Amino acid sequence: QKEVEQNSGPLSVPEGAIASLNCTYSDRGSQSFFWYRQYSGKSPELIMSIYSNGDKEDGRFTAQLNKASQYVSLLIRDSQPSDSATYLCAVRGSNYQLIWGAGTKLIIKP
Amino acid sequence: GAVVSQHPSRVICKSGTSVKIECRSLDFQATTMFWYRQFPKQSLMLMATSNEGSKATYEQGVEKDKFLINHASLTLSTLTVTSAHPEDSSFYICSARDLGTKYNEQFFGPGTRLTVL
Repeated sequence: QKEVEQNSGPLSVPEGAIASLNCTYSDRGSQSFFWYRQYSGKSPELIMSIYSNGDKEDGRFTAQLNKASQYVSLLIRDSQPSDSATYLCAVRGSNYQLIWGAGTKLIIKP
Repeated sequence: GAVVSQHPSRVICKSGTSVKIECRSLDFQATTMFWYRQFPKQSLMLMATSNEGSKATYEQGVEKDKFLINHASLTLSTLTVTSAHPEDSSFYICSARDLGTKYNEQFFGPGTRLTVL
């Protein structure tokens, strides 16, 4: 069974600091990885997609992928209270379905 | 970015009635859409994969006769909850696969909150 693992948290980070969210996956053949943000009571919103080893930066967000170690991470620089949400890691499986982690709840403290 | 809409955003109905939820991709064509359900404080649960012009593929444990899916065009998929009961009360979310992006990301609609009395 293909799995995606995340620490459920909550992860508490001071405002202005770097938030680091981690995710591991079991299927070594996985090629596509995604980070979604979900605010309470809302639907998920795509934050980052990453497909190649290394770092991918988009504004305050950096996704990091290490296929050899089977982990993908998301860094949020200069964390803001508005970044407080649940962050979902997803890995593309067969038939373009996404295999989801349970999500990490992030709390940014002012 | 790609925009997906859902209608209605919220519905309250009596037990035994049927409810139809629409999912539309507004600025792209989606041959594949996905229907999820999420209970409070729980993870997303994939219910079914909706393919344009063919039958939907349901996940194990999801009753296809209760959750009817129709994907009649490249921009519209509908989910009908038939004979709804209180245990069907949940947050239903659709997503659509954008073939126009390099890696066919999935974009989510805003969700439909169903309450069955």
